[in-house]
Amino acid sequence: EAQVTQNPRYLITVTGKKLTVTCSQNMNHEYMSWYRQDPGLGLRQIYYSMNVEVTDKGDVPEGYKVSRKEKRNFPLILESPSPNQTSLYFCASSSGLPKDTIYFGEGSWLTVV
Amino acid sequence: LAKTTQPISMDSYEGQEVNITCSHNNIATNDYITWYQQFPSQGPRFIIQGYKTKVTNEVASLFIPADRKSSTLSLPRVSLSDTAVYYCLVGPYTGRRALTFGSGTRLQVQP
Repeated sequence: EAQVTQNPRYLITVTGKKLTVTCSQNMNHEYMSWYRQDPGLGLRQIYYSMNVEVTDKGDVPEGYKVSRKEKRNFPLILESPSPNQTSLYFCASSSGLPKDTIYFGEGSWLTVV
Repeated sequence: LAKTTQPISMDSYEGQEVNITCSHNNIATNDYITWYQQFPSQGPRFIIQGYKTKVTNEVASLFIPADRKSSTLSLPRVSLSDTAVYYCLVGPYTGRRALTFGSGTRLQVQP
């Protein structure tokens, strides 16, 4: 079954404590990305990756880091989380073909206190 | 990147046909138009995709005029379970790959 798996699904953390949200896809997709979703703001892209070792900023990259060392994994790193990063995060992947669909993970609820 | 504009919200009743229009005036030649559906606290999921004219699948139809500056998602005979947020996404799936979702259209279906 085609899947994008995120972990953790729910996390409460404190300001400044580094955390990583993992993302893994089993579809051999080249393209992966991270979004955050806040009330009234829709989905905003944080970072995306077109292939291994190739990453680029999306619309709201400040405060986040990513890495793409393997094709299947695309972790999102918050080096020093702040309360304004409290949000619902989605990882997504797609094949990179001209006509394709984006597959989303189930989301990760992150609260920074 | 093609920016999209959709109505913020729409209301309908069960059994009615719902049409949601998305404007994308600066769509590029190699852009596809894709619609996604999102339920609360879930990731968006693919509904339908098209390039021009009309596309139909088991859940929806997509109408795209010749100039491709807009598109209309048509949901026939909606039910309560169609209550969700619908996103129109316009973008290339090769080359530059930053994809931007708009705020979507919140559809509320009433009994």
